[in-house]
Amino acid sequence: LAKTTQPISMDSYEGQEVNITCSHNNIATNDYITWYQQFPSQGPRFIIQGYKTKVTNEVASLFIPADRKSSTLSLPRVSLSDTAVYYCLVGATTDSWGKLQFGAGTQVVVTP
Amino acid sequence: NAGVTQTPKFQVLKTGQSMTLQCAQDMNHEYMSWYRQDPGMGLRLIHYSVGAGITDQGEVPNGYNVSRSTTEDFPLRLLSAAPSQTSVYFCASSYSSGTAGTGELFFGEGSRLTVL
Repeated sequence: LAKTTQPISMDSYEGQEVNITCSHNNIATNDYITWYQQFPSQGPRFIIQGYKTKVTNEVASLFIPADRKSSTLSLPRVSLSDTAVYYCLVGATTDSWGKLQFGAGTQVVVTP
Repeated sequence: NAGVTQTPKFQVLKTGQSMTLQCAQDMNHEYMSWYRQDPGMGLRLIHYSVGAGITDQGEVPNGYNVSRSTTEDFPLRLLSAAPSQTSVYFCASSYSSGTAGTGELFFGEGSRLTVL
């Protein structure tokens, strides 16, 4: 599976846009990119997934360039409640969950 | 619909004691797994199951046992607890076992274990 690299932490103020970039230089043709969010004292939860170009939902947007060697999770107009750890995962449709790896994630801290 | 339920939420053990962390899901999910989370290390897979009667080891299985007798339940057993097993444990499930790349994991709230 493609390994991922993310920044350890990012700080932001309320109302700003936060962009977290994940590098996955060895991504394979069949790999998808998935992001999870984890609030303190809670389990992670799925927020967005994509294969190429741009995906948007009510929580975030995911930008994937043509070479797919990186991806950027964009959180628009963050609030204090967006303080969390964000994980980037890469895996193929046919991969077993047993081979999917969570990295250390990116700690996002939003302050007033 | 409760999702993934873990019990207990907190537990303190002495070295050498045994215990079982319970995990139950009511979504009829095929796949269930246990992760441990230590500070600064993300989540590491302990054991997983792709269906009743089938289990397999993850990245860090030593010191832990699992079984899957029903679709709903996936208990994690610590036979002889050690301080190195102090951690937060998360149970997760997913509808399909073989589509990690496009599937979604549903996590429980976690069980915080301290081994003295």
